[in-house]
Amino acid sequence: SQKIEQNSEALNIQEGKTATLTCNYTNYSPAYLQWYRQDPGRGPVFLLLIRENEKEKRKERLKVTFDTTLKQSLFHITASQPADSATYLCALKMNTGFQKLVFGTGTRLLVSP
Amino acid sequence: EPEVTQTPSHQVTQMGQEVILRCVPISNHLYFYWYRQILGQKVEFLVSFYNNEISEKSEIFDDQFSVERPDGSNFTLKIRSTKLEDSAMYFCASIGDTTLISGANVLTFGAGSRLTVL
Repeated sequence: SQKIEQNSEALNIQEGKTATLTCNYTNYSPAYLQWYRQDPGRGPVFLLLIRENEKEKRKERLKVTFDTTLKQSLFHITASQPADSATYLCALKMNTGFQKLVFGTGTRLLVSP
Repeated sequence: EPEVTQTPSHQVTQMGQEVILRCVPISNHLYFYWYRQILGQKVEFLVSFYNNEISEKSEIFDDQFSVERPDGSNFTLKIRSTKLEDSAMYFCASIGDTTLISGANVLTFGAGSRLTVL
């Protein structure tokens, strides 16, 4: 069956450290992998995307890697801040004609001062 | 910055009642979506809408659900006869032509409508 798995347990880190979140998928062939941030009671907000033929993308303190052999993406936040505390969702866009995004379960990040 | 607007922010209804959730997508966006998120669970795709018709729908989107774009600006989700399990946050989202053409399909979400079915 098709799955997108993210750590269900919250990730607790100290301010200033690097947070690394994982997204694993099975039985999908995504053309794009996207990362969104979701705050409680709010809609997801787009952060970064990476294409299937890219290994790494960066944007300010954010870095995403994409390994289509391992079927895994890693999302890094460097120099983390308490304001980075949120749930982070990965989402896949397939190679087919369908236009929907399929979301993972999300990982909650808590950054302590 | 342009945003997707959803109303109401919270609706409480009795089981069996009809509910209409409203969305105003970003004005030059072309593709529209409804997703839902049951408390503590993942964001689930319901339906996509393009060129005034449903483009794709999930298994969740059964005959109790319908969507329409009645006036060129609003995009509505109707649940005909609500069930307890319809209680969730419903998100509207849209895609602009830039990301649609590239294939990346970056979604801009609204703040959501929380539906509570009693």
